[in-house]
Amino acid sequence: KAGVTQTPRYLIKTRGQQVTLSCSPISGHRSVSWYQQTPGQGLQFLFEYFSETQRNKGNFPGRFSGRQFSNSRSEMNVSTLELGDSALYLCASSWDRADTQYFGPGTRLTVL
Amino acid sequence: GESVGLHLPTLSVQEGDNSIINCAYSNSASDYFIWYKQESGKGPQFIIDIRSNMDKRQGQRVTVLLNKTVKHLSLQIAATQPGDSAVYFCAENINNDMRFGAGTRLTVKP
Repeated sequence: KAGVTQTPRYLIKTRGQQVTLSCSPISGHRSVSWYQQTPGQGLQFLFEYFSETQRNKGNFPGRFSGRQFSNSRSEMNVSTLELGDSALYLCASSWDRADTQYFGPGTRLTVL
Repeated sequence: GESVGLHLPTLSVQEGDNSIINCAYSNSASDYFIWYKQESGKGPQFIIDIRSNMDKRQGQRVTVLLNKTVKHLSLQIAATQPGDSAVYFCAENINNDMRFGAGTRLTVKP
């Protein structure tokens, strides 16, 4: 069974731009969670989608948004990028949020 | 999930020795715990999990111990190998919300 995949793996953007990251969960998993990981803050929860609905949201500004499609694939979008948005963005899928979450390799975003 | 501001604890062990990585969890209502391993440049990888109705669970070269009295979780790695070098962190399920610890960096010396 294929694992969680994320595209792109690496991305370089400049301040003010916007970016869209993609995540394909493990087949059959309906819950997709997104995390931001930085050396200073560790794993920070962004939001979780289940059956195309956002069920949980972390403490991030409205510039961070996401969506989930009917095939459970998910995208997250960050608008008006800031230098502090540079991070590894991780996607995790599970049957449901309280179940074991399996992570993708992440997208390394660098904002210049 | 939340993580405290980070200055990762580190553990350095000799190849072949056993490693013990500890995690203190916050909520006595937590009923499910997971250990993850994250190698440099990769996403976290599931290692082993344990439910609160157990106090020990064994996998291949790994054992997780749960002490609910003191809200403590530990991961034991037997015969540590260079490939075990990574950041290890625990996660707990609180009211259907997974929360992640800050992690411990394990370095294996040859």
